[in-house]
Amino acid sequence: GALVYQYPRRTICKSGTSMRMECQAVGFQATSVAWYRQSPQKTFELIALSTVNSAIKYEQNFTQEKFPISHPNLSFSSMTVLNAYLEDRGLYLCGASHQDTQYFGPGTRLLVL
Amino acid sequence: GQQVQQSPTSLVLQEGENAELQCNFSTSLNSMQWFYQRPGGSLISVFYNPSGTKQSGRLTSTTVIKERRSSLHISSSQITDSGTYLCAISTQVVGQLTFGRGTRLQVYA
Repeated sequence: GALVYQYPRRTICKSGTSMRMECQAVGFQATSVAWYRQSPQKTFELIALSTVNSAIKYEQNFTQEKFPISHPNLSFSSMTVLNAYLEDRGLYLCGASHQDTQYFGPGTRLLVL
Repeated sequence: GQQVQQSPTSLVLQEGENAELQCNFSTSLNSMQWFYQRPGGSLISVFYNPSGTKQSGRLTSTTVIKERRSSLHISSSQITDSGTYLCAISTQVVGQLTFGRGTRLQVYA
């Protein structure tokens, strides 16, 4: 079956430091990978969408300078939160798509101190 | 404005009662999904239902594209149904979902 792994599941970082999270698709090839963030008491916001053979598209309020994404192949993507501050805390979800179906990982929960 | 609106925001039911969750969207869509978010945060896809009615056990989803709405019906609710239910739509871009704010369901004994 199709599975999406995310690592780490939970992490704590000091304010001003950076944190890298990974997303791995298993059992299928992801033609696109979307990164979402759920801030406390809020719904999921799309950060960026990375599609094979296309440039990574960031949503308003999110930039490559703050959330650089690497998508080297059809099964792996990583995103870094640079200079993390309190407003960056939340659950970061990776959604990997294959044939109109999106599979989600369990998320990386980021706590910023 | 917000593209996906869910109602109610929260719902408290006694075990055995039925739940009706609504999702309204302000744009045409390619697909829509209902998700259940576990207390730990992870998402489980409940229905992929771009149109029509689908049923799985005690859950039924009905999407009426013309009216830009979808509903999730939970019959004979159980305590384990408690959690947050999110609807999400995909417009033109494959892999890009827009989420509603969710309905928090609490079922008590």
